[in-house]
Amino acid sequence: QQQVKQSPQSLIVQKGGISIINCAYENTAFDYFPWYQQFPGKGPALLIAIRPDVSEKKEGRFTISFNKSAKQFSLHIMDSQPGDSATYFCAASMNYGGATNKLIFGTGTLLAVQP
Amino acid sequence: DARVTQTPRHKVTEMGQEVTMRCQPILGHNTVFWYRQTMMQGLELLAYFRNRAPLDDSGMPKDRFSAEMPDATLATLKIQPSEPRDSAVYFCASGWGTPNSPLHFGNGTRLTVT
Repeated sequence: QQQVKQSPQSLIVQKGGISIINCAYENTAFDYFPWYQQFPGKGPALLIAIRPDVSEKKEGRFTISFNKSAKQFSLHIMDSQPGDSATYFCAASMNYGGATNKLIFGTGTLLAVQP
Repeated sequence: DARVTQTPRHKVTEMGQEVTMRCQPILGHNTVFWYRQTMMQGLELLAYFRNRAPLDDSGMPKDRFSAEMPDATLATLKIQPSEPRDSAVYFCASGWGTPNSPLHFGNGTRLTVT
């Protein structure tokens, strides 16, 4: 019930195309859904996040779509660029034991944007 | 630009040796997390602290791993004795501990146990 399932495992997109990464969760107590971006040799860094009371959040070329009834959320990268090539992790957290930012991560998607 | 600092960045050791990884969280952050990243398991939560007190270390192999926060500026993760299956990248992250606040990750310690 604590898992967050992520797909696909890897993704190749042409420059200018749309990258879509999907995640699903089971635990309805999750109330915060961030996406993290990780470049080789670096730690994950927060990219964008959403709460379940909204269905979509957009920041520049990055959009999260959230479907509460289906318990799914996705990351869309519009006009994908080679610099977006990285590993993307979805995550979920809930208010738990005083540590309200304990994150459970998906397994990651390796995105390669070809020039 | 505040950041989480982890040392060492790389560690190669022989099976059976003790390994200590250190983390300096961002000043003022009151929650600290240790994650382990492998190709097979992804990012696994090992332990986390709030106000230096351990809240949950259920993700950690108890017989060989230990995590502590001697003070607010230092978190340590120790493996004794180390095994080849411990080879992974270990990340420390810190945060404010308030609802929906982000975690800030260090750049990790890449551990290789031969």
